[in-house]
Amino acid sequence: AQSVSQHNHHVILSEAASLELGCNYSYGGTVNLFWYVQYPGQHLQLLLKYFSGDPLVKGIKGFEAEFIKSKFSFNLRKPSVQWSDTAEYFCAVNADNYGQNFVFGPGTRLSVLP
Amino acid sequence: EAQVTQNPRYLITVTGKKLTVTCSQNMNHEYMSWYRQDPGLGLRQIYYSMNVEVTDKGDVPEGYKVSRKEKRNFPLILESPSPNQTSLYFCASGAHTVDEAFFGQGTRLTVV
Repeated sequence: AQSVSQHNHHVILSEAASLELGCNYSYGGTVNLFWYVQYPGQHLQLLLKYFSGDPLVKGIKGFEAEFIKSKFSFNLRKPSVQWSDTAEYFCAVNADNYGQNFVFGPGTRLSVLP
Repeated sequence: EAQVTQNPRYLITVTGKKLTVTCSQNMNHEYMSWYRQDPGLGLRQIYYSMNVEVTDKGDVPEGYKVSRKEKRNFPLILESPSPNQTSLYFCASGAHTVDEAFFGQGTRLTVV
């Protein structure tokens, strides 16, 4: 069975600090990878996605992620966080080309201090 | 505006009283699914549907039912809710199997 792990449960940063959130998945086949963000009280929104090609993908709001196949990782990065980035971040994998069966990680809560 | 709409947003009910959470999307998506979100567990898929009259179990289907009689609607039915079904529920839709999912605003359900 597929699974997704996220390295940190809660990350606290000051504004302008750099961010890296870890994500690892377990699946031996072809995967499609996603990062979603959930702002307080809101629904999940897509930050970025990787299907194939350049392993460094850029998303919205200055986020980027790097797919490292050999490490089964898809870490999310942002050079300089803002207070408005305070949210919960979910890594997700779709490795089953049937029915959009996403497997989500447990989430990482990011708190950015002004 | 393209969106996935869930109703109600908040619901408190008693054990055993049947309830339905509605979900509707206006993007003509073929794929729809239901997730529950619990602290520390992320989102877990309950049921999904590839098209009208085609539904299948996700990872945590026990205690839930769904139906897909129309392309735009995908209601979640709890025939006899129990306290362990207290959770935050999200409906999602997508155009293709491997494309992104669009999520509704969520329904916070409390079963007492």
